[in-house]
Amino acid sequence: QSVLTQPPSVSAAPQQKVAISCSGTNFNIGKNNVFWYQQFPGTAPKLLISENNKRPSGIPDRFSGSKSGTSATLGITGLQTGDEADYYCAAWDDSLSSAVFGGGTKLTVL
Amino acid sequence: DVQLVESGGGLVQPGGSLRLSCAASGFIFTNYWMAWVRQAPGKGLEWVANIKQDGSAKFYGDSVKGRFTISRDNAKNSLYLQMNSLRVEDSAIYFCARDAWSSGPDNDYWGQGTLVTVSS
Repeated sequence: QSVLTQPPSVSAAPQQKVAISCSGTNFNIGKNNVFWYQQFPGTAPKLLISENNKRPSGIPDRFSGSKSGTSATLGITGLQTGDEADYYCAAWDDSLSSAVFGGGTKLTVL
Repeated sequence: DVQLVESGGGLVQPGGSLRLSCAASGFIFTNYWMAWVRQAPGKGLEWVANIKQDGSAKFYGDSVKGRFTISRDNAKNSLYLQMNSLRVEDSAIYFCARDAWSSGPDNDYWGQGTLVTVSS
């Protein structure tokens, strides 16, 4: 059971958009920044969104992040088959004094 | 280019110990926190530990607290994870990651990972 809750899977058609949710508490998302990672099978994770809504260099603007209260959302527009991957949210948890990850969401582009 | 190269993984018996290393290059090592993140086969990411630039602050995930120790040698641009009292559930790929620390796990560069298998 992960501290941050994500849907196990989401799916959408190419060129459509999708939103992946991440739910936490006042100890983590409610007080600290949220980060999003993309991971393809057999490879290391890649930072997709930093500090709730900032895209690192090289990340397309099709990817966006937002936060409201104790929840965060990763948005992906113009879906491509190459976006099929696992997506993880993460945040610092003040009550645990550690970082926590969501359980991950598998994106399928139909 | 930033490079993080892990080593030290392998097969160890339950109750045993292992020390992982991460060689960093391509950036000023002393400017960054560093972290370890692991992933059990077929499972999600689990944050393990991080360490401040000068080693004065270290934080651990609940599942490894008291058994694992993170450390760094800034003269060698290297990060370490000493793992003691290993359990079967510690079996995972262990990733070393640079942590830009923006009030959270801002892991902007990752190594390729090293596999640890705990089994009798």
